Amino acid sequence: GAVVSQHPSRVICKSGTSVKIECRSLDFQATTMFWYRQFPKQSLMLMATSNEGSKATYEQGVEKDKFLINHASLTLSTLTVTSAHPEDSSFYICSASVGQAINSPLHFGNGTRLTVT
Amino acid sequence: DQQVKQNSPSLSVQEGRISILNCDYTNSMFDYFLWYKKYPAEGPTFLISISSIKDKNEDGRFTVFLNKSAKHLSLHIVPSQPGDSAVYFCAASTTGTYKYIFGTGTRLKVLA
Repeated sequence: GAVVSQHPSRVICKSGTSVKIECRSLDFQATTMFWYRQFPKQSLMLMATSNEGSKATYEQGVEKDKFLINHASLTLSTLTVTSAHPEDSSFYICSASVGQAINSPLHFGNGTRLTVT
Repeated sequence: DQQVKQNSPSLSVQEGRISILNCDYTNSMFDYFLWYKKYPAEGPTFLISISSIKDKNEDGRFTVFLNKSAKHLSLHIVPSQPGDSAVYFCAASTTGTYKYIFGTGTRLKVLA
């Protein structure tokens, strides 16, 4: 089945530093990947849509200078949390669509737990 | 404005019985609905989906029912197994987009 790999699974960083999260599609090519964020006991919120070879599309309220997204190849998208602060602590999850059909379900990575101290 | 709602934060069911998880939505533009299962510290795993042209979709022990007039969908798991214990999220989107709007999840506990 389709596998989306996310790394690291857990990261702790100091306030003010930047953290990069990688999302890879292991057995398929993904022209589009999606980054979600989940706060404790809340739903997953779409942050941005990552498009291979072009700029990401950010959802309203998401700071694009804070959450830098790069989708340099058909199998890799990265999310960099710049100048991280404690309020950025959250569970970040990437996803990608496998099929070409309009309504192919998204497959998710295992997420990255970010803790900013 | 919560467009997708799961009003039951938790549900306990005896092993072998039916689990029914409910989801309501408000946006009539949604025409594609999905259910995901999630374990702690892991990403969601796709379970089953349904398009608005159908009112039922079945896959093994999992059946999703869609009532468009009531803007309601439900996931039935029969028979429930202890391994089904997880948080279940419903999600909704509009055809041609991947803007999934997720509910807040229902924690299912299947008791052995």
